[in-house]
Amino acid sequence: DAKTTQPTSMDCAEGRAANLPCNHSTISGNEYVYWYRQIHSQGPQYIIHGLKNNETNEMASLIITEDRKSSTLILPHATLRDTAVYYCIVRVASAGGFKTIFGAGTRLFVKA
Amino acid sequence: NAGVTQTPKFRVLKTGQSMTLLCAQDMNHEYMYWYRQDPGMGLRLIHYSVGEGTTAKGEVPDGYNVSRLKKQNFLLGLESAAPSQTSVYFCASSYSNRGTTSSSYEQYFGPGTRLTVT
Repeated sequence: DAKTTQPTSMDCAEGRAANLPCNHSTISGNEYVYWYRQIHSQGPQYIIHGLKNNETNEMASLIITEDRKSSTLILPHATLRDTAVYYCIVRVASAGGFKTIFGAGTRLFVKA
Repeated sequence: NAGVTQTPKFRVLKTGQSMTLLCAQDMNHEYMYWYRQDPGMGLRLIHYSVGEGTTAKGEVPDGYNVSRLKKQNFLLGLESAAPSQTSVYFCASSYSNRGTTSSSYEQYFGPGTRLTVT
């Protein structure tokens, strides 16, 4: 599975959009981009995933560049409860999560 | 649904002691996983299972054993605990390809077990 590169930490003001970048320059054609987050040492929580097209759900939006070498997770109106570590993961979207590699992620601090 | 549950939540062991961590899921998932997370780091896969009665090694399997006797349960055993196994342990589960409506195959995680080995 492709490796990903994320900033170590980011700040965001409450109510503003949080834009979390991820580089995955070695991504393969059949690999998806997944995002999870981990709030204060709880178990990670799935946020969103995508292949080529931009995706949106009730939690976030995912913007993937045309060459698929990078992506951005957008939390449109960040709240204090969005403070967490966010993991960008690239893997084949088969059922086997045993290929899911969690790096260090980005620690997002949402400030009042 | 309770989702993925783990017992115990906390445990302190002395070096050389043994213990078993229990993971249970009520979502009828076929795949289950055990991860460990050390301070400030991401999760590392210890062992996983693609179905009842089957297990496989992950990234860091040494010092651990697992069993999947029932579909809903996945046990992680430490036969002789070492201080290097001090960590937070997370269990997860996910759908398989067969007979599922999921298109994301995301993993569902339990709340974790904090283990300290002195």
